[in-house]
Amino acid sequence: QVQLVQSGAEVKKPGASVKVSCKASGYTFTSYGISWVRQAPGQGLEWMGWISAYNGNTNYAQKLQGRVTMTTDTSTSTAYMELRSLRSDDTAVYYCARAGHHYFDYWGQGTLVTVSS
Amino acid sequence: QSALTQPASVSGSPGQSITISCTGTSSDVGGYNYVSWYQQHPGKAPKLMIYEVSNRPSGVSNRFSGSKSGNTASLTISGLQAEDEADYYCSSYTSSSTLAYVFGTGTKVTVL
Repeated sequence: QVQLVQSGAEVKKPGASVKVSCKASGYTFTSYGISWVRQAPGQGLEWMGWISAYNGNTNYAQKLQGRVTMTTDTSTSTAYMELRSLRSDDTAVYYCARAGHHYFDYWGQGTLVTVSS
Repeated sequence: QSALTQPASVSGSPGQSITISCTGTSSDVGGYNYVSWYQQHPGKAPKLMIYEVSNRPSGVSNRFSGSKSGNTASLTISGLQAEDEADYYCSSYTSSSTLAYVFGTGTKVTVL
């Protein structure tokens, strides 16, 4: 069965960076992309970007351009999302999701990133 | 690019049908048949319920159905059950230059 397992919760200070991992299993990793979606406390879902696990092509939300980098390691079927220059409003649960044809069919369990001084 | 507009809350009694709307523009909902719907229970990850406007993934109850007219998509839950109480989000591909996918504002469904 398809599973996406994410790394554990993080607490970071403003200005720091965080890197969240997402290990995929149960399907051919390079046949799908991975999108990252975040959800601030009590708020809705926000699409952050997408990476092709096939060739590493990326597409980031403009508001995060310059602060976010998405990568994959095909040898371990793992996707990564790094967010730099963290601010308090980056506090959120970060989800990875398998990207089907313009939809997100399997999701990780989420990783809480707290940014606090 | 603003979020797609959904009602904040919808409620219904067990067995009834409810419909959640999702309004966008011709650059997203109205321009493409790439609307999807997600169910999210508290503290859990979202779950895909509908993709490409009206298709149900394997394992999703046929009580859930989707449709679209113009710039507004809709999710209908028939035969409402207690387990359907959750937050629901729509999503659409968008031709916006600032992002590729936009989510709705979210709707809290309450089973009375």
